[in-house]
Amino acid sequence: DIVMTQSPLSLTVTPGEPASISCRSSQSLMYRNGNNYLDWYLQKPGQSPQLLIYLGSNRASGVPDRFSGSGSGTDFTLKISRVEAEDVGIYYCMQAIQTPLLTFGGGTKVEIK
Amino acid sequence: QPQLQESGPGLVKPSETLSLTCTVSGDSISSSSYHWGWIRQSPGKGLEWIGNIYYSGSTYYNLSLKSRVTISADTSKSQFSLKLISVTAADTAVYYCARLKYRPHYYYYGLDVWGQGTTVTVSS
Repeated sequence: DIVMTQSPLSLTVTPGEPASISCRSSQSLMYRNGNNYLDWYLQKPGQSPQLLIYLGSNRASGVPDRFSGSGSGTDFTLKISRVEAEDVGIYYCMQAIQTPLLTFGGGTKVEIK
Repeated sequence: QPQLQESGPGLVKPSETLSLTCTVSGDSISSSSYHWGWIRQSPGKGLEWIGNIYYSGSTYYNLSLKSRVTISADTSKSQFSLKLISVTAADTAVYYCARLKYRPHYYYYGLDVWGQGTTVTVSS
């Protein structure tokens, strides 16, 4: 099984400042087509998770461009260029290299100062 | 935009079977474009993928739950269902259904539509 490890566990950010979350996988998530099968999801308080980023760096429909995903192989990063109050919640990475078998990371809680 | 809605009992006794249904509107579960899946979240914990079903009827399960889980679909009702047998308190969770936009060898777009979730408590 692929193990997904996120860091930090929690993050407190000042509005307008950047934030960064790391996700590491125990196996490479790069497929032979060159795509990295890594997604990012945000679960806002009291809501269902929502897709932010798919295939490592592609923003989902309607996701603000302050969110960006990068990385390759086993190391990935989600960056928020300027955090807003509405960005609070728990962020999860998820491997999809074994799609349709999926594995989530443990989550990173983002709070606002 | 398609919508997914979970339904089922909110309380299940230990050792019994948990049964949930996800009703899909605004989309076809017979499409080759999607898998349909279940994910759960135990109190205070992270997300755990349970399994998926494809339009062909193929199913895929989390190895840790495989011996207890069955996912099935009723295309005439545009529903897919989850059955989890021999439940314990550890199965207490919010259960989500979701759409995985993925067609093997063609494209992948992630879990792009989620239901609102339904809370299931296992207790006598």
